[in-house]
Amino acid sequence: GQNIDQPTEMTATEGAIVQINCTYQTSGFNGLFWYQQHAGEAPTFLSYNVLDGLEEKGRFSSFLSRSKGYSYLLLKELQMKDSASYLCAVSSGTYKYIFGTGTRLKVLA
Amino acid sequence: DADVTQTPRNRITKTGKRIMLECSQTKGHDRMYWYRQDPGLGLRLIYYSFDVKDINKGEISDGYSVSRQAQAKFSLSLESAIPNQTALYFCATSDFTGFGGYTFGSGTRLTVV
Repeated sequence: GQNIDQPTEMTATEGAIVQINCTYQTSGFNGLFWYQQHAGEAPTFLSYNVLDGLEEKGRFSSFLSRSKGYSYLLLKELQMKDSASYLCAVSSGTYKYIFGTGTRLKVLA
Repeated sequence: DADVTQTPRNRITKTGKRIMLECSQTKGHDRMYWYRQDPGLGLRLIYYSFDVKDINKGEISDGYSVSRQAQAKFSLSLESAIPNQTALYFCATSDFTGFGGYTFGSGTRLTVV
């Protein structure tokens, strides 16, 4: 079967660092994506990993280990506006996504 | 103007009614998708289209149909709406590589009563 697992909720403090994990089992792999979704809004693209390692983009970084079926999204210097859901998605062999159920992040002052 | 536009933004309809959700895009992408989002279930693929003459069922296509009228337009129909189709519906587009991720529309919140 195909499956993506993420924690349901996380809480962190403004200015801190938080790591959101994602594990996956899929029949094909063309890349792993992270999206941010504020409540009631559309998901917006954050990052893409296809090779093992760390991709850094400003305050956000994403890591991939294909052999372990594992990724994480690292958010640094947390801001209140980072309170949102973070969706992990895997592009399978037919170039369509499988989405995880998302991790709801609450940033506290 | 938004790259991906969905209409309507909100809709309440009665059980048994036919309803169409529309999506248009200015990205110039060939690939378009319809997803629904339910609390605790995440985004699930209903239908997708890789070009105007290509239509494919996703994981939850029962009760839905689609039409790809042009490269820029992809509509989703509920032939006879039922309450468990109450959800947030998203249209999305991508280029042929998929490397740039999806661009999502703002969503249609559909309530079937």
